[in-house]
Amino acid sequence: GAVVSQHPSWVICKSGTSVKIECRSLDFQATTMFWYRQFPKQSLMLMATSNEGSKATYEQGVEKDKFLINHASLTLSTLTVTSAHPEDSSFYICSAPRQGRNYEQYFGPGTRLTVT
Amino acid sequence: KQEVTQIPAALSVPEGENLVLNCSFTDSAIYNLQWFRQDPGKGLTSLLLIQSSQREQTSGRLNASLDKSSGRSTLYIAASQPGDSATYLCAVYSGGGADGLTFGKGTHLIIQP
Repeated sequence: GAVVSQHPSWVICKSGTSVKIECRSLDFQATTMFWYRQFPKQSLMLMATSNEGSKATYEQGVEKDKFLINHASLTLSTLTVTSAHPEDSSFYICSAPRQGRNYEQYFGPGTRLTVT
Repeated sequence: KQEVTQIPAALSVPEGENLVLNCSFTDSAIYNLQWFRQDPGKGLTSLLLIQSSQREQTSGRLNASLDKSSGRSTLYIAASQPGDSATYLCAVYSGGGADGLTFGKGTHLIIQP
């Protein structure tokens, strides 16, 4: 099956610093990628849609200046958490749909962010 | 706005039993529905995808059905094994290309050896 990778798999940072998370589709091109956030024992909530060559679209309540998204190429999207706070600690997961496969979504392994 | 509900929230059964996980969604105008498995602290593993025009999909001991008009899907697991213990998530895709998935809160499944 299609593979989506994320890096890093986990990161600990100090409050006020910024953290960048990468999402790559390894064997297919993705003009669109999605970023989700999952708090402990909660389900996944869509944060934003990353669009190659254009601005990301954010879900209601997600601060675009705090969660910067750059879709640099057809296989790479990055999410930067700026001025991180402890409440940003969460599990961040990206996905990429494979349009030729009934738009099936392939998910990365996730990134565990802990802000101290 | 699409909402997805999964019942039960948690389930614990002895090994070998057949079981059914339920998923319902409020807007029947969906493109497809996916069932995922998530192990603690891990990402998602796609189990089955059902297109809106399909009624069921099977993979090994798993069978997923879809009744689009009533907004329901079920995941049937036959002859459950301890390795099936995980959280099972149901998610719908409403189409449009730019939309992500809407997830249910999941069913936390424990298979007792």
